[in-house]
Amino acid sequence: GENVEQHPSTLSVQEGDSAVIKCTYSDSASNYFPWYKQELGKGPQLIIDIRSNVGEKKDQRIAVTLNKTAKHFSLHITETQPEDSAVYFCAASIRGGGADGLTFGKGTHLIIQP
Amino acid sequence: GAGVSQSPSNKVTEKGKDVELRCDPISGHTALYWYRQSLGQGLEFLIYFQGNSAPDKSGLPSDRFSAERTGGSVSTLTIQRTQQEDSAVYLCASSIQNTGELFFGEGSRLTVL
Repeated sequence: GENVEQHPSTLSVQEGDSAVIKCTYSDSASNYFPWYKQELGKGPQLIIDIRSNVGEKKDQRIAVTLNKTAKHFSLHITETQPEDSAVYFCAASIRGGGADGLTFGKGTHLIIQP
Repeated sequence: GAGVSQSPSNKVTEKGKDVELRCDPISGHTALYWYRQSLGQGLEFLIYFQGNSAPDKSGLPSDRFSAERTGGSVSTLTIQRTQQEDSAVYLCASSIQNTGELFFGEGSRLTVL
């Protein structure tokens, strides 16, 4: 089955700086890659996703890049703000965009230092 | 509210007892999922319901775990003869079929003493 590795497990950055979280996946058939943000005491929430037919997607301060050859994808957050502090999960699926079949990474705890 | 609702939010139980966790999905969402989140771990898939199809139980860790979804809406996750390693946050999510986005509840935190 699919295996998703996520790094780093903890990331501390100064407010205003950029943050990058990286994930690798094992199944070359994977074609859907979402990112979820989990704030303390809340359930995870989808913040951005990318499908295998594109290499990059941006939404304001957030961007995701995908390298299918190397089987890795990354989340980039620019101009970080205190409200970006949370746990971020990457995931991969072979089910073409359906939420079933998602395999999640173990998460990255992002800390924004004031 | 219009989100996924889970109850109880916290449950403390003694080893060997049975527990039931409830999930109310978003109205109209045909798919429902249970995940387990242990300390420092990711989101571990447990079970998936889609409409009237047979559920995908491939993630259930043992036969002590079971889940039902009645009338295509509310779901109950049951853990029998709880063990300390069952301590975790159990998250429920729902989605519209094939859209990709999971809508999670706030979870039920289970502590087994």
